Amino acid sequence: DQQVKQNSPSLSVQEGRISILNCDYTNSMFDYFLWYKKYPAEGPTFLISISSIKDKNEDGRFTVFLNKSAKHLSLHIVPSQPGDSAVYFCAAHQTGANNLFFGTGTRLTVIP
Amino acid sequence: DSGVTQTPKHLITATGQRVTLRCSPRSGDLSVYWYQQSLDQGLQFLIQYYNGEERAKGNILERFSAQQFPDLHSELNLSSLELGDSALYFCASSDFSLRGSTVNTEAFFGQGTRLTVV
Repeated sequence: DQQVKQNSPSLSVQEGRISILNCDYTNSMFDYFLWYKKYPAEGPTFLISISSIKDKNEDGRFTVFLNKSAKHLSLHIVPSQPGDSAVYFCAAHQTGANNLFFGTGTRLTVIP
Repeated sequence: DSGVTQTPKHLITATGQRVTLRCSPRSGDLSVYWYQQSLDQGLQFLIQYYNGEERAKGNILERFSAQQFPDLHSELNLSSLELGDSALYFCASSDFSLRGSTVNTEAFFGQGTRLTVV
């Protein structure tokens, strides 16, 4: 049972434009969400996170939005750069459950 | 460098064989996770250990097992290997420490072991 879903396996965006990656979850008990970025032949690296008490968290070009009622989060990258081309995973956590649930990932390609 | 070390980086073996993947977590991290990433698939959670004890189990096959040792390193054992077991296997570690009012659940990943079963 996939509790965290990324329904778009891939996304292509022109350099300089906005990239929006989406993630849906089913467990309403999740209270902390993370985005990871993965380059080929490397392990995923942490990018940005958001607590369920917030609806937005911003870090430079990266902003994560959380819509708890819709059980949906999104990652916005503005402006997109070719170096952002990677696979992005969203993950969710429930306090007390020492585990992260990952989505299947979205491959972002930023076209120069 | 995430601080998580996985060995070997690459492994090629035949069907029916058994292999052991090793993971050394970041210094001080008590939790170790194992994930599998098959071709074009997401990260599938296999199993988690916390301070030597199994804490959570995902879609881990009965042919697979893991353990975490007193020095906190972990090993993932894969036996009776099949072609479909070919994948990237990642180890991650975290400390789940409390920092202020937020539980730090960030997990740090190793570079993975690429297993090819032929």
